Amino acid sequence: KAGVTQTPRYLIKTRGQQVTLSCSPISGHRSVSWYQQTPGQGLQFLFEYFSETQRNKGNFPGRFSGRQFSNSRSEMNVSTLELGDSALYLCASSSSGLSNEKLFFGSGTQLSVL
Amino acid sequence: AQKITQTQPGMFVQEKEAVTLDCTYDTSDPSYGLFWYKQPSSGEMIFLIYQGSYDQQNATEGRYSLNFQKARKSANLVISASQLGDSAMYFCAMREGLRRSGAGSYQLTFGKGTKLSVIP
Repeated sequence: KAGVTQTPRYLIKTRGQQVTLSCSPISGHRSVSWYQQTPGQGLQFLFEYFSETQRNKGNFPGRFSGRQFSNSRSEMNVSTLELGDSALYLCASSSSGLSNEKLFFGSGTQLSVL
Repeated sequence: AQKITQTQPGMFVQEKEAVTLDCTYDTSDPSYGLFWYKQPSSGEMIFLIYQGSYDQQNATEGRYSLNFQKARKSANLVISASQLGDSAMYFCAMREGLRRSGAGSYQLTFGKGTKLSVIP
């Protein structure tokens, strides 16, 4: 079974631009969540989707948005990039996102904002 | 207050020795789960072990075991017989509200992590 796939692996953008990151979950998984990882703040929850519906959103500004498609693939978008958005963005999937289900993570997209 | 505290930013262990990574947590929810993940330099988070708040026994997964002390709100990870490949960042995480639906139960809250270095 293929794991969680995130594309692209690396991305360099400049301030003010927007960016879209993609995540393909494990086949059969319907829950996809996104996390931002920075050296200063650590791992922070961005949002979680299940069956194309956002069920939970972390404490991030509205510039961060996401969506999930009918095949469970997910994208996250960051508009008007700021230097502080430089981070590793991790996507994780699970069957339903509940209870004791472990999350399966991708290798992440390393975003650098110049 | 931080929900997950990992007080050891970095640790060293000799190959083949055992090591304990500390994790304390803070929640008022009676139903929660605790996870440990490993993150090698490649970036991918790898699941190691899970402990539910209502589990009667401490969790074990191969060389990994969880020393769960509910009253002290601690969930320390024990790695036995350390290997060079164990060198990585280790994160403790918690999911609250396991027995109820609602937005808060769909996310993991992570600690800052502990960098483990295994010395040959």
